[in-house]
Amino acid sequence: GNSVTQMEGPVTLSEEAFLTINCTYTATGYPSLFWYVQYPGEGLQLLLKATKADDKGSNKGFEATYRKETTSFHLEKGSVQVSDSAVYFCALRSANAGKSTFGDGTTLTVKP
Amino acid sequence: EADIYQTPRYLVIGTGKKITLECSQTMGHDKMYWYQQDPGMELHLIHYSYGVNSTEKGDLSSESTVSRIRTEHFPLTLESARPSHTSQYLCASSARDSRAETQYFGPGTRLLVL
Repeated sequence: GNSVTQMEGPVTLSEEAFLTINCTYTATGYPSLFWYVQYPGEGLQLLLKATKADDKGSNKGFEATYRKETTSFHLEKGSVQVSDSAVYFCALRSANAGKSTFGDGTTLTVKP
Repeated sequence: EADIYQTPRYLVIGTGKKITLECSQTMGHDKMYWYQQDPGMELHLIHYSYGVNSTEKGDLSSESTVSRIRTEHFPLTLESARPSHTSQYLCASSARDSRAETQYFGPGTRLLVL
């Protein structure tokens, strides 16, 4: 079956620090990969996605590259802001899976 | 911005009461989902639907039930609430069953059963 493993949190960084949140996956078939973000008191929203190997998803300064050889989709940002404090979920979806598979979420806190 | 709504946003209720959590979307999406979210933030799929009159149980066993009589509406019902049902419930929808589809989430209902 499909599974997603995320770096355990919580992660605490100072403003302008470099961010990496690791995500690796196992999947049947050829999945699409996603990062969702959940700000306090809200539901999840799509941050970025990639649908094939070597694709790079990017949004709001965040980026992640679909690495088929290492089955990874690590999230990176060069300089985090306080407003990036949130919970980040890595997810995958295979064709005909009927549903997405989510990681356990990583809580990021950015301090001024 | 996603057009998916959940009501109520917060609910405090006594043990044994029947409750219905409402979820509506105005995007015409066929697929809809209910997730239960732990305090540790893990998401657990409890129900999903492919379309009208279709409902499926998710990965986590739940005492709740769902119905899908209209495309835009996917309510979740607990016949007799218990303290173990205390959690956050997130509703989501997506346009079609493809590997690239994005899920759109509502803001959630935070339920406390006393």
